[in-house]
Amino acid sequence: QVQLVESGGGVVQPGGSLRLSCAASGFTFSSYGIHWVRQAPGKGLEWVAFINYDGSNQYYADSVKGRFTISRDNSKNTLYLQMNSLRAEDTAVYYCAKDPRSGYIYGTYSDSWGQGTLVTVS
Amino acid sequence: DIQMTQSPSSLSASVGDRVTITCRASQGIANYLAWYQQKPGKLPKLLIYAASTLQSGVPSRFSGSGSGTDFTLTISSLQPEDVATYYCQKYNTAPLTFGGGTKVEIK
Repeated sequence: QVQLVESGGGVVQPGGSLRLSCAASGFTFSSYGIHWVRQAPGKGLEWVAFINYDGSNQYYADSVKGRFTISRDNSKNTLYLQMNSLRAEDTAVYYCAKDPRSGYIYGTYSDSWGQGTLVTVS
Repeated sequence: DIQMTQSPSSLSASVGDRVTITCRASQGIANYLAWYQQKPGKLPKLLIYAASTLQSGVPSRFSGSGSGTDFTLTISSLQPEDVATYYCQKYNTAPLTFGGGTKVEIK
């Protein structure tokens, strides 16, 4: 069964950097795009970024464009989110979530979610 | 960018009631819409995609409809386990924006 395990969250000062990881198992990682979605404490879901199955296409929310970079290493079944120039408003639980479409360039929706990792910018 | 607006932001209904949640896109998105359920303290769960296709394992009391700019999620007979916040998400093009959510409670 699909398993997604995020790591790398923590407390960071404004302007600082952090790299999140998402280890995947239970499916053919190199065939599926993956999203990052975040949820600020007590708030709704916010889509952050998507990378397609082979890493050739990335898409970002306007709120993180130019500061965050999504990448993947298919040899390690791992997704990353490099977060630079962090702001207080980036404080949230960050989820990685699998896209259900195999071999697709564009992101769609998410059918499996990790447990999330908390990032606190303070 | 296309904005997604859900209404109401919260509702309270009795067990057995028919509940309808609306999601409106600021521009047409065809049927590229998904609905999620997030129970308190839990992960989001995919309910519906392509506006009206029920995800495997989701109870048939959930249904979705709409196309273009106006979409609805209907719970035909509200159950206690349906207490949750419901989100729509568009996916025609990036950014893949979520609606603000609708919190459903039992009266």
